[in-house]
Amino acid sequence: DGGITQSPKYLFRKEGQNVTLSCEQNLNHDAMYWYRQDPGQGLRLIYYSQIVNDFQKGDIAEGYSVSREKKESFPLTVTSAQKNPTAFYLCASQTAANTGELFFGEGSRLTVL
Amino acid sequence: GENVEQHPSTLSVQEGDSAVIKCTYSDSASNYFPWYKQELGKRPQLIIDIRSNVGEKKDQRIAVTLNKTAKHFSLHITETQPEDSAVYFCAAVYSGGGADGLTFGKGTHLIIQP
Repeated sequence: DGGITQSPKYLFRKEGQNVTLSCEQNLNHDAMYWYRQDPGQGLRLIYYSQIVNDFQKGDIAEGYSVSREKKESFPLTVTSAQKNPTAFYLCASQTAANTGELFFGEGSRLTVL
Repeated sequence: GENVEQHPSTLSVQEGDSAVIKCTYSDSASNYFPWYKQELGKRPQLIIDIRSNVGEKKDQRIAVTLNKTAKHFSLHITETQPEDSAVYFCAAVYSGGGADGLTFGKGTHLIIQP
């Protein structure tokens, strides 16, 4: 069953801890994205990757890091440098960058206590 | 870079009435305009899209119109039903762009009143 999977769905962490959110797709898509969603703010781009071993900063990359070592995987690390990390995080993939439909994962809700 | 404005932020309509959500964009190079629907607690999903060489597209109760000269596009939902309640996002895409090639509006929370 093809799709895009995020884990964990819910995550609680203490301030100052780094956390890594997983995103895996088996759609054979080249492009992958990470968005942050806050109430009333829409979808804000954190990082995106057009192809394996390459990624670019989005509008709000500060305090986040990514890697793209495999085509199907694009994990996001929320570091302690991110000042307000509590949010809903969405991963998405696309056949190629800026081409056609974006397929989203179900999201990961991070709460920093 | 591209700037997408979406209005209104909240829209409440009676069941059976029509709903219209409007978006404007700034970059004339944008050539693809998708609309995504996000139900409460779920992932956004594409519901309809339009390319810059087309003025209107319909899919059952949903239609999208595009005015390239004025740089605005709209989502029209007719005969609204309770399952239409959701947040709707418009987007403007420039296929030759990089990180800023896809820009979302801030979303419209559509509420269908019984």
